[in-house]
Amino acid sequence: GNSVTQMEGPVTLSEEAFLTINCTYTATGYPSLFWYVQYPGEGLQLLLKATKADDKGSNKGFEATYRKETTSFHLEKGSVQVSDSAVYFCALNMYSGGGADGLTFGKGTHLIIQP
Amino acid sequence: KAGVTQTPRYLIKTRGQQVTLSCSPISGHRSVSWYQQTPGQGLQFLFEYFSETQRNKGNFPGRFSGRQFSNSRSEMNVSTLELGDSALYLCASSLVGLGGGPEEQYFGPGTRLTVT
Repeated sequence: GNSVTQMEGPVTLSEEAFLTINCTYTATGYPSLFWYVQYPGEGLQLLLKATKADDKGSNKGFEATYRKETTSFHLEKGSVQVSDSAVYFCALNMYSGGGADGLTFGKGTHLIIQP
Repeated sequence: KAGVTQTPRYLIKTRGQQVTLSCSPISGHRSVSWYQQTPGQGLQFLFEYFSETQRNKGNFPGRFSGRQFSNSRSEMNVSTLELGDSALYLCASSLVGLGGGPEEQYFGPGTRLTVT
């Protein structure tokens, strides 16, 4: 079946540091890939997405590139802020023709940014 | 445009009872999916509805069911509650693409269910 693996953390960084959260996936076809962010007490917010190989998703300074050869979708940001503290989920979605298979999520990475 | 709304936000139930959770999708979104989030299992897909039909289902027992109404609003029901059903239940809505598959999913704030 499909699966997503990501570092769980917590990951603790200082403000303005460079961020990388690794994400790799296993899928039987060509999935769409997503990063979602969850702030305390809230639901998930879509951060960025990529739907085919070599696509780069970007939003709010975050970027991730769909790498089919390494089955990866690592999240990066050049300079993190305290407000980026949250839990980040990597996810994939396959459409089988019979309906949405549902998002398959990684376990989530808890990011803590210290001033 | 209003986001996905879920009611109630918090719920406390006793083992053996049943519960119904409600979800109103973003206007124009016809696909609604449900997920369960727990510390141990993480986020798991329950089922997806489109045009009042369940198109796909995750690996959950039959105690978990749902339905969708003609206005795309959806409900999920859990019967004979167990302690392990305590979780955050998230609803997500999406547009449906030209090929029939879902576009990106937008999540509501969730319903926090506690079973005692």
